Amino acid sequence: GEEVAQTPKHLVRGEGQKAKLYCAPIKGHSYVFWYQQVLKNEFKFLISFQNENVFDETGMPKERFSAKCLPNSPCSLEIQATKLEDSAVYFCASSPQSSSGNTIYFGEGSWLTVV
Amino acid sequence: GDSVTQMEGPVTLSEEAFLTINCTYTATGYPSLFWYVQYPGEGLQLLLKATKADDKGSNKGFEATYRKETTSFHLEKGSVQVSDSAVYFCALSGTGFQKLVFGTGTRLLVSP
Repeated sequence: GEEVAQTPKHLVRGEGQKAKLYCAPIKGHSYVFWYQQVLKNEFKFLISFQNENVFDETGMPKERFSAKCLPNSPCSLEIQATKLEDSAVYFCASSPQSSSGNTIYFGEGSWLTVV
Repeated sequence: GDSVTQMEGPVTLSEEAFLTINCTYTATGYPSLFWYVQYPGEGLQLLLKATKADDKGSNKGFEATYRKETTSFHLEKGSVQVSDSAVYFCALSGTGFQKLVFGTGTRLLVSP
């Protein structure tokens, strides 16, 4: 498609439950990124993929967070055993190439509320 | 590591006022610089970008010039509108790296 599509738009989970978010990048884009935006507007980089391969995972809290981008499937971000502090908007983004000046296109985000 | 510093908001202006939102950065090498805008309840949209020193990015009346000597990329608009009310994020992408590093965002409120 012509835009980054994220689902669901809103998700409510009880503490300790699993949350799974999905992202379809723009068609033809090889790079996918996940960012977490917490209440004070800060964007925290989580992970990026080049096609189905992890490109940079320096921002991932590895204990409970995992992500995949498999061929012919939406990318996913999964949080096992959610905590209150995981409440945030999770943005997926995609880009056609890896060079520094290329534009990264963002989806509208998935709002996760952990209660 | 790379970082971006933006002026704290909110910035409150009347319609048709001049806007400046300051942004400075720290990075090794030659990063690319971006301004993104987030309207209420929406995702990030690219507003403008500059990929090398002295480049000026412009879009929708907004401008920003990549100043390597002052490591700055200040956003300006000559006459703001109510519809410009949003949160503005300055960001950089380091040399050889695609990952964006964001500032903390500046909320702009424009009143009629």
